[in-house]
Amino acid sequence: DTEVTQTPKHLVMGMTNKKSLKCEQHMGHRAMYWYKQKAKKPPELMFVYSYEKLSINESVPSRFSPECPNSSLLNLHLHALQPEDSALYLCASSQRGQGAGRTEAFFGQGTRLTVV
Amino acid sequence: KQEVTQIPAALSVPEGENLVLNCSFTDSAIYNLQWFRQDPGKGLTSLLLIQSSQREQTSGRLNASLDKSSGRSTLYIAASQPGDSATYLCAVRKLGYGGSQGNLIFGKGTKLSVKP
Repeated sequence: DTEVTQTPKHLVMGMTNKKSLKCEQHMGHRAMYWYKQKAKKPPELMFVYSYEKLSINESVPSRFSPECPNSSLLNLHLHALQPEDSALYLCASSQRGQGAGRTEAFFGQGTRLTVV
Repeated sequence: KQEVTQIPAALSVPEGENLVLNCSFTDSAIYNLQWFRQDPGKGLTSLLLIQSSQREQTSGRLNASLDKSSGRSTLYIAASQPGDSATYLCAVRKLGYGGSQGNLIFGKGTKLSVKP
């Protein structure tokens, strides 16, 4: 199974709402990532979790709050977002540890977020 | 700073034609290079992973080559079909330690249209 599953597929939220995006993988990968992709642009890295610990935060605003409750799950909690945060949010996973840099990254199908 | 460039930005070809997509990167200190396909509004599907020590990888009608010393990769698609229409992204995995290990740097993609 090389699948990364993201839910929901689509989300519309108001600027005062609180919502969460969920990502799940069962490949035993110990690195998980959140990317943000705007229309006609490449994915941009937001966060990296390594062995369930946050290892990289690419200066993301605090209205985005990641969480990794266990080795298979990754959440992204959203609060007080702005319309410019509307984008496709992609989750990815890959192996960690020695030799992990040579392995493949797998992406989910994304959550299309619209902030109104 | 690693920069990844893809040329052309868009390509339209008739069905059955063989075609080449180009990717260049500025820093040869990479673990590997991965080619992805992205359909509109969807996630990324991994097509080919080519390690820094390899020269090429093949999967079906796809062939990817890598010349690390010159910072170039090509994706060759044989006998193109309308179903190949999508955006093709290349990404390099930069060498690093700890939390930065395995982070992908993406090009902006080539949007391919194969006309029946």
